[in-house]
Amino acid sequence: DTAVSQTPKYLVTQMGNDKSIKCEQNLGHDTMYWYKQDSKKFLKIMFSYNNKELIINETVPNRFSPKSPDKAHLNLHINSLELGDSAVYFCASSQLLGTAFFGQGTRLTVV
Amino acid sequence: QQPVQSPQAVILREGEDAVINCSSSKALYSVHWYRQKHGEAPVFLMILLKGGEQKGHEKISASFNEKKQQSSLYLTASQLSYSGTYFCGTAGGTNAGKSTFGDGTTLTVKP
Repeated sequence: DTAVSQTPKYLVTQMGNDKSIKCEQNLGHDTMYWYKQDSKKFLKIMFSYNNKELIINETVPNRFSPKSPDKAHLNLHINSLELGDSAVYFCASSQLLGTAFFGQGTRLTVV
Repeated sequence: QQPVQSPQAVILREGEDAVINCSSSKALYSVHWYRQKHGEAPVFLMILLKGGEQKGHEKISASFNEKKQQSSLYLTASQLSYSGTYFCGTAGGTNAGKSTFGDGTTLTVKP
């Protein structure tokens, strides 16, 4: 059983489109995250939710909107996609002490 | 504020040792280390809590000095499989939602 799963794995879309990435964890963790990893491999936190409540919202364009229907799910919706949004997006979950378990990543390519 | 890692890149021959450092400008509760291979998600290696403990994973160990707000990852007798990018993650308190990552250290082990 996959601990943290995100879909889709690859996403190719045109500029201006709206897309969503889904994430689910079956670890029973209270905290979930979205990270963006760019071509330079920097891993930047975007959002963090704890028990469905937003606790971290880094400087991210408001075209990005996370939604957590329950503590096992954290989806990422992106409006009006831009070329600069191309990156690998990782979902992760953790409990208390910060150890993060990552999903396999979604490679988003905006053309 | 994210932790700072050094060096940015290391190239080793099989069997050689390496040290990767991670430092923070804020008080730390825990430090966690991850390894990411090309095209894959980061994978958790170990977590260290304040108290100056050391931990080991295979021939990889780490130390955490909370007074200096630093952690070091020691790779001894490196193997080809150790190649990848190493990230340290830090949490300033028991709230896992505040975990942030360093920019990574790329380790290349050559035969």
